[in-house]
Amino acid sequence: DVKVTQSSRYLVKRTGEKVFLECVQDMDHENMFWYRQDPGLGLRLIYFSYDVKMKEKGDIPEGYSVSREKKERFSLILESASTNQTSMYLCASSLLGRGSADFGPGTRLTVL
Amino acid sequence: AQTVTQSQPEMSVQEAETVTLSCTYDTSENNYYLFWYKQPPSRQMILVIRQEAYKQQNATENRFSVNFQKAAKSFSLKISDSQLGDTAMYFCAFMKHRGSEKLVFGKGMKLTVNP
Repeated sequence: DVKVTQSSRYLVKRTGEKVFLECVQDMDHENMFWYRQDPGLGLRLIYFSYDVKMKEKGDIPEGYSVSREKKERFSLILESASTNQTSMYLCASSLLGRGSADFGPGTRLTVL
Repeated sequence: AQTVTQSQPEMSVQEAETVTLSCTYDTSENNYYLFWYKQPPSRQMILVIRQEAYKQQNATENRFSVNFQKAAKSFSLKISDSQLGDTAMYFCAFMKHRGSEKLVFGKGMKLTVNP
């Protein structure tokens, strides 16, 4: 019953490294999302994609980029990781017009 | 831009009691969806209940029901007969019905159900 998967549950990286977080969904959803979750701040949207190669910035896109070359895969890229990007990263997807999203298990990223 | 506000950061309730979680939102849209999501400790985010703004009837899912007040932009979640498994973070969320379907979340509320 696999729906939304994320490449790693836990990841430890060094400051300045380029980091790739991968998300794959098997439900043929048009919309995909990347959020970061921090205590007391809730879920903040980093980027949103509504189709292959289409994206919109969310509330906190600085320091991040995304790639969506195939419908099922949405990648989040930290070009040069910094300690303030230590967080839980959640990927989600939704069917266009359906109005609810399915979430992946999350990736806890630590940048040292 | 849409915003979602959950003013209560934390609540606790005794098992079998009823608890209400509050949420307000701000939007100029007329057609949209509202959601409550649940995130149990160290577990995945799951959808609890969904409300479509054009429907006047409040959504219900077993022990979970909402009080949707469109004019007041209020969307509260009532949990009846609370169970220990209801202990979780609860997030209120908003999505436009058409156009950019960004899903916007509140900051969440930690609910603890005590035995």
